[in-house]
Amino acid sequence: QKEVEQNSGPLSVPEGAIASLNCTYSDRGSQSFFWYRQYSGKSPELIMSIYSNGDKEDGRFTAQLNKASQYVSLLIRDSQPSDSATYLCAVNSRSQGAQKLVFGQGTRLTINP
Amino acid sequence: SQTIHQWPATLVQPVGSPLSLECTVEGTSNPNLYWYRQAAGRGLQLLFYSVGIGQISSEVPQNLSASRPQDRQFILSSKKLLLSDSGFYLCAWSTQVRYNEQFFGPGTRLTVL
Repeated sequence: QKEVEQNSGPLSVPEGAIASLNCTYSDRGSQSFFWYRQYSGKSPELIMSIYSNGDKEDGRFTAQLNKASQYVSLLIRDSQPSDSATYLCAVNSRSQGAQKLVFGQGTRLTINP
Repeated sequence: SQTIHQWPATLVQPVGSPLSLECTVEGTSNPNLYWYRQAAGRGLQLLFYSVGIGQISSEVPQNLSASRPQDRQFILSSKKLLLSDSGFYLCAWSTQVRYNEQFFGPGTRLTVL
Protein backbone atom coordinates (compact mmCIF):
# COMPACT_ATOMS: atom_id res chain seq x y z
CA GLN A 1 0.00 0.00 0.00
CA LYS A 2 1.59 3.23 -1.15
CA GLU A 3 1.12 5.89 1.48
CA VAL A 4 1.52 9.60 2.01
CA GLU A 5 1.70 10.86 5.58
CA GLN A 6 1.02 14.37 6.83
CA ASN A 7 0.54 15.83 10.27
CA SER A 8 -3.19 16.57 10.41
CA GLY A 9 -2.68 19.64 12.61
CA PRO A 10 -4.18 22.05 13.25
CA LEU A 11 -1.05 24.09 12.75
CA SER A 12 -1.37 27.61 14.10
CA VAL A 13 1.06 30.30 12.88
CA PRO A 14 1.05 34.06 13.59
CA GLU A 15 0.58 36.41 10.68
CA GLY A 16 3.87 37.31 9.01
CA ALA A 17 5.68 34.18 10.21
CA ILE A 18 6.84 31.18 8.18
CA ALA A 19 4.49 28.20 8.03
CA SER A 20 6.19 24.84 7.49
CA LEU A 21 4.20 21.84 6.26
CA ASN A 22 5.71 18.38 5.98
CA CYS A 23 4.94 15.18 4.11
CA THR A 24 6.57 11.74 3.85
CA TYR A 25 5.84 9.07 1.26
CA SER A 26 6.50 5.37 0.90
CA ASP A 27 6.93 4.81 -2.88
CA ARG A 28 10.62 5.24 -3.74
CA GLY A 29 9.75 5.20 -7.44
CA SER A 30 7.68 8.39 -7.27
CA GLN A 31 8.87 11.12 -9.62
CA SER A 32 6.43 13.98 -9.12
CA PHE A 33 5.08 15.69 -6.03
CA PHE A 34 2.37 18.27 -5.51
CA TRP A 35 0.90 20.58 -2.93
CA TYR A 36 -2.77 21.50 -3.09
CA ARG A 37 -4.59 24.12 -1.05
CA GLN A 38 -8.20 23.46 -0.10
CA TYR A 39 -10.38 26.11 1.48
CA SER A 40 -13.31 24.88 3.54
CA GLY A 41 -16.14 23.73 1.28
CA LYS A 42 -14.10 24.20 -1.91
CA SER A 43 -12.16 21.91 -4.22
CA PRO A 44 -8.37 21.48 -4.04
CA GLU A 45 -6.26 24.00 -5.94
CA LEU A 46 -2.79 23.09 -7.19
CA ILE A 47 -0.25 25.55 -5.80
CA MET A 48 3.14 23.84 -6.23
CA SER A 49 4.67 21.02 -8.25
CA ILE A 50 8.19 19.69 -7.75
CA TYR A 51 10.03 16.97 -9.65
CA SER A 52 13.69 17.11 -8.65
CA ASN A 53 15.61 17.26 -5.40
CA GLY A 54 16.11 20.68 -3.85
CA ASP A 55 14.01 23.79 -3.53
CA LYS A 56 11.49 25.36 -5.89
CA GLU A 57 10.25 28.86 -5.16
CA ASP A 58 7.08 30.55 -6.41
CA GLY A 59 6.28 33.85 -4.75
CA ARG A 60 5.81 33.27 -1.02
CA PHE A 61 5.78 29.50 -1.47
CA THR A 62 8.81 27.19 -1.47
CA ALA A 63 8.56 23.46 -2.04
CA GLN A 64 11.45 21.26 -0.89
CA LEU A 65 12.08 17.70 -2.04
CA ASN A 66 14.48 15.10 -0.66
CA LYS A 67 13.98 11.80 -2.50
CA ALA A 68 16.62 9.97 -0.43
CA SER A 69 14.65 10.73 2.73
CA GLN A 70 11.29 10.42 0.94
CA TYR A 71 10.32 13.79 2.27
CA VAL A 72 8.62 16.82 0.73
CA SER A 73 7.76 20.08 2.45
CA LEU A 74 6.06 23.39 1.77
CA LEU A 75 7.16 26.68 3.30
CA ILE A 76 4.88 29.70 3.26
CA ARG A 77 6.72 32.94 3.99
CA ASP A 78 5.03 36.08 5.34
CA SER A 79 1.91 34.06 6.18
CA GLN A 80 -1.39 35.84 5.63
CA PRO A 81 -4.83 35.08 7.09
CA SER A 82 -5.89 34.15 3.53
CA ASP A 83 -3.40 31.24 3.72
CA SER A 84 -5.63 29.58 6.33
CA ALA A 85 -6.74 26.35 4.64
CA THR A 86 -6.05 22.62 4.51
CA TYR A 87 -2.92 21.73 2.55
CA LEU A 88 -2.84 18.37 0.77
CA CYS A 89 0.38 16.64 -0.22
CA ALA A 90 0.08 14.39 -3.29
CA VAL A 91 2.59 11.96 -4.74
CA ASN A 92 2.43 10.41 -8.21
CA SER A 93 2.74 6.64 -8.13
CA ARG A 94 2.61 4.07 -10.89
CA SER A 95 0.31 1.14 -10.21
CA GLN A 96 -0.88 -1.53 -12.64
CA GLY A 97 0.43 0.46 -15.59
CA ALA A 98 -1.40 3.64 -14.62
CA GLN A 99 -0.26 6.82 -12.96
CA LYS A 100 -2.24 7.85 -9.91
CA LEU A 101 -1.95 10.52 -7.30
CA VAL A 102 -1.85 9.34 -3.70
CA PHE A 103 -3.00 12.06 -1.29
CA GLY A 104 -2.17 12.62 2.33
CA GLN A 105 -4.94 13.38 4.79
CA GLY A 106 -4.04 17.08 4.75
CA THR A 107 -2.72 19.57 7.30
CA ARG A 108 -5.10 22.25 8.53
CA LEU A 109 -3.28 25.57 8.77
CA THR A 110 -4.58 28.59 10.66
CA ILE A 111 -2.89 31.98 10.38
CA ASN A 112 -3.63 34.16 13.38
CA PRO A 113 -3.82 37.95 12.80
CA SER B 1 -7.01 27.86 -21.17
CA GLN B 2 -8.48 24.71 -19.72
CA THR B 3 -11.70 24.71 -17.70
CA ILE B 4 -13.44 21.89 -15.88
CA HIS B 5 -17.13 21.95 -15.05
CA GLN B 6 -19.18 19.81 -12.69
CA TRP B 7 -22.87 19.74 -12.05
CA PRO B 8 -24.91 19.88 -10.06
CA ALA B 9 -23.07 21.83 -7.35
CA THR B 10 -25.18 20.37 -4.56
CA LEU B 11 -27.58 17.48 -4.43
CA VAL B 12 -29.82 15.97 -1.74
CA GLN B 13 -31.12 12.52 -2.57
CA PRO B 14 -33.06 9.84 -0.67
CA VAL B 15 -31.55 6.43 0.02
CA GLY B 16 -32.23 4.06 -2.87
CA SER B 17 -32.56 6.75 -5.51
CA PRO B 18 -30.36 6.88 -8.64
CA LEU B 19 -27.46 9.27 -9.19
CA SER B 20 -25.87 10.94 -12.17
CA LEU B 21 -23.04 13.46 -11.83
CA GLU B 22 -21.44 15.01 -14.86
CA CYS B 23 -18.01 16.45 -15.51
CA THR B 24 -16.80 18.15 -18.69
CA VAL B 25 -13.41 19.59 -19.60
CA GLU B 26 -12.78 22.39 -22.08
CA GLY B 27 -9.59 23.51 -23.77
CA THR B 28 -7.71 20.22 -23.93
CA SER B 29 -7.89 16.97 -25.87
CA ASN B 30 -7.55 13.38 -24.74
CA PRO B 31 -7.20 14.14 -21.03
CA ASN B 32 -6.95 11.58 -18.26
CA LEU B 33 -10.10 11.96 -16.14
CA TYR B 34 -10.63 11.06 -12.50
CA TRP B 35 -13.47 10.82 -9.99
CA TYR B 36 -12.63 11.27 -6.31
CA ARG B 37 -14.77 11.28 -3.19
CA GLN B 38 -13.96 13.22 -0.05
CA ALA B 39 -15.99 12.26 3.01
CA ALA B 40 -16.40 14.86 5.76
CA GLY B 41 -13.06 15.52 7.45
CA ARG B 42 -11.28 12.87 5.43
CA GLY B 43 -8.82 12.59 2.59
CA LEU B 44 -9.39 12.12 -1.12
CA GLN B 45 -10.39 8.65 -2.25
CA LEU B 46 -9.86 7.81 -5.92
CA LEU B 47 -12.98 6.10 -7.29
CA PHE B 48 -12.45 5.82 -11.06
CA TYR B 49 -10.05 6.98 -13.71
CA SER B 50 -10.15 6.98 -17.49
CA VAL B 51 -7.40 7.32 -20.09
CA GLY B 52 -9.78 7.44 -23.07
CA ILE B 53 -13.34 7.10 -24.39
CA GLY B 54 -14.98 3.98 -23.00
CA GLN B 55 -11.92 3.10 -20.87
CA ILE B 56 -12.76 3.04 -17.17
CA SER B 57 -10.72 1.66 -14.29
CA SER B 58 -12.32 1.19 -10.88
CA GLU B 59 -10.34 1.65 -7.72
CA VAL B 60 -12.86 0.72 -5.05
CA PRO B 61 -15.64 -1.88 -5.35
CA GLN B 62 -18.93 -0.20 -4.51
CA ASN B 63 -22.34 0.61 -5.90
CA LEU B 64 -21.01 3.40 -8.13
CA SER B 65 -20.08 3.25 -11.81
CA ALA B 66 -18.48 5.62 -14.28
CA SER B 67 -18.69 6.16 -18.01
CA ARG B 68 -16.84 8.27 -20.56
CA PRO B 69 -19.10 8.65 -23.60
CA GLN B 70 -17.04 11.48 -25.14
CA ASP B 71 -13.40 12.55 -24.96
CA ARG B 72 -14.01 15.37 -22.48
CA GLN B 73 -17.07 14.05 -20.62
CA PHE B 74 -17.01 11.87 -17.53
CA ILE B 75 -20.13 10.64 -15.73
CA LEU B 76 -20.51 9.09 -12.28
CA SER B 77 -23.64 7.04 -11.68
CA SER B 78 -25.42 4.87 -9.17
CA LYS B 79 -28.58 2.83 -9.48
CA LYS B 80 -29.34 2.94 -5.74
CA LEU B 81 -27.70 5.37 -3.34
CA LEU B 82 -26.60 4.37 0.15
CA LEU B 83 -26.20 6.65 3.17
CA SER B 84 -22.45 6.04 2.96
CA ASP B 85 -22.38 7.60 -0.52
CA SER B 86 -22.69 11.08 1.00
CA GLY B 87 -19.65 13.23 0.39
CA PHE B 88 -17.91 15.75 -1.82
CA TYR B 89 -17.40 14.36 -5.32
CA LEU B 90 -14.55 15.81 -7.31
CA CYS B 91 -13.66 15.39 -10.94
CA ALA B 92 -10.10 16.04 -12.06
CA TRP B 93 -8.15 16.02 -15.32
CA SER B 94 -4.54 15.66 -16.29
CA THR B 95 -2.69 15.64 -19.60
CA GLN B 96 -1.19 12.44 -20.94
CA VAL B 97 2.31 13.21 -19.74
CA ARG B 98 4.45 11.57 -17.12
CA TYR B 99 4.11 14.06 -14.29
CA ASN B 100 0.33 13.59 -13.85
CA GLU B 101 -0.36 17.13 -12.67
CA GLN B 102 -4.09 17.06 -11.87
CA PHE B 103 -6.59 19.92 -11.81
CA PHE B 104 -9.88 19.70 -9.99
CA GLY B 105 -13.37 20.84 -10.82
CA PRO B 106 -15.54 22.74 -8.34
CA GLY B 107 -17.09 19.54 -6.98
CA THR B 108 -20.58 18.25 -6.18
CA ARG B 109 -21.68 18.01 -2.58
CA LEU B 110 -24.00 15.00 -2.24
CA THR B 111 -26.14 14.35 0.82
CA VAL B 112 -28.01 11.06 0.98
CA LEU B 113 -30.86 11.05 3.51
